[in-house]
Amino acid sequence: QKEVEQNSGPLSVPEGAIASLNCTYSDRGSQSFFWYRQYSGKSPELIMSIYSNGDKEDGRFTAQLNKASQYVSLLIRDSQPSDSATYLCAVSNRAGGQNFVFGPGTRLSVLP
Amino acid sequence: GAGVSQSPSNKVTEKGKDVELRCDPISGHTALYWYRQSLGQGLEFLIYFQGNSAPDKSGLPSDRFSAERTGGSVSTLTIQRTQQEDSAVYLCASSFTGFGGYTFGSGTRLTVV
Repeated sequence: QKEVEQNSGPLSVPEGAIASLNCTYSDRGSQSFFWYRQYSGKSPELIMSIYSNGDKEDGRFTAQLNKASQYVSLLIRDSQPSDSATYLCAVSNRAGGQNFVFGPGTRLSVLP
Repeated sequence: GAGVSQSPSNKVTEKGKDVELRCDPISGHTALYWYRQSLGQGLEFLIYFQGNSAPDKSGLPSDRFSAERTGGSVSTLTIQRTQQEDSAVYLCASSFTGFGGYTFGSGTRLTVV
């Protein structure tokens, strides 16, 4: 059973701070890693993808991947109240299907 | 279309009735997933289509659930003899490949009364 784990939260950070969201996965064959944001009552929205070890930056978002530790994280700099949402980590190998696995999500609350 | 389109957006049905949910993926996307999300819960995998390959149906919760994808494009999820526990948001997602990032539709909120 391939698993993706996240702290359910809620993670509360003050406006302007860095929010750090973490995700671990069990399948060492995983090759693709994604972060989705889901606002309450809405569908998930892809915000970051990362495929190789290291950091990938996109605006205020940085994804970090460490395949040896089977760990992927998302940093949100200068957090805004509009970043308050549930963040889902997703992990996949090339087989797709059941091998594209979502974590349970971490609820982030950015306090004004 | 520009995005993944799902219809209807809301469906209220009586227990025991059959329902059909439709997903129109992004043009050219070969991979298509159906997920279910109950209130406050995570995403539950239902079924996966990839090109002309046999679908991965391993997530369907019972034989009341079935899905098809015609011509490698539009997909229909059918729930027969609906039960109250089927009430959830049903999400469709598509991708150009089977392992890339997926784009979700806005979902169908199903309520069984």
